[in-house]
Amino acid sequence: KAGVTQTPRYLIKTRGQQVTLSCSPISGHRSVSWYQQTPGQGLQFLFEYFSETQRNKGNFPGRFSGRQFSNSRSEMNVSTLELGDSALYLCASSLDLSTGWMNTEAFFGQGTRLTVV
Amino acid sequence: DQQVKQNSPSLSVQEGRISILNCDYTNSMFDYFLWYKKYPAEGPTFLISISSIKDKNEDGRFTVFLNKSAKHLSLHIVPSQPGDSAVYFCAASADTGNQFYFGTGTSLTVIP
Repeated sequence: KAGVTQTPRYLIKTRGQQVTLSCSPISGHRSVSWYQQTPGQGLQFLFEYFSETQRNKGNFPGRFSGRQFSNSRSEMNVSTLELGDSALYLCASSLDLSTGWMNTEAFFGQGTRLTVV
Repeated sequence: DQQVKQNSPSLSVQEGRISILNCDYTNSMFDYFLWYKKYPAEGPTFLISISSIKDKNEDGRFTVFLNKSAKHLSLHIVPSQPGDSAVYFCAASADTGNQFYFGTGTSLTVIP
C-alpha cells in the first residue's frame, strides 16, 4: 500500500514569508503527527492530529500551526518565517493509538526540506 | 530539555560484529520505546519497539533491551551488515497520544 506522502519535497522561502506543507497519511490511518528535524536536535514533536482535532502539541511558537481534513490529510503552516525554521519537516501517520501500544508504530514520510534565506 | 538522549553521535563497527546503540531517558512516565532507522534523504523507518512491561524484545538480528531502573535502553544488532549503516533514533512515549520524544540519533557505520 502507498506510504506517507509529503509535498513538496524541497522548498526555499525568504524570511517573513509563510509556508504550507502537506501530508497524506497511509490509507486508513487517522493519526498524523508533525516533527521538525534539525542537526543536533533530533526530531522535535510539533503537533498531532486525530479525526480533525489537535490532540497533542509540542513546545513550538504559535507561528507553527496545522490542521487535518476529513480524509485525514494534514497541512502544516509556518508564518513569518525565520532563518532558524530551516529544517526537515517530517510527517508520521499511525492507525489509532487509543487502542493500545500495539498500534503506536508510526510511519514517516520522506519529509519536506525547508530552507529559509 | 532533551528527555531522550543518545550520547554517542557516531559508531563504527566491523561487519559481522555486534553493534550496540545506547539511549537514556529522564522521564519515568515513559512506557513505550521505539527505534527508528534513517537513511539520507528518506524518512525514518520503524525498526523495533518495546513496552515497559518487558525488558527485552527480539526481531531477527535486532534486540532491544530496557533497563527501567537505570532509564536506559539499548539496541543490539548481531551480526552487523554494511546495509545497517544509517542513523538510528530512539524514541519514547508517555501516553497513548502520538507524541514521541526522539533522541538526537547515532550514525552507525558498518565497515565491510
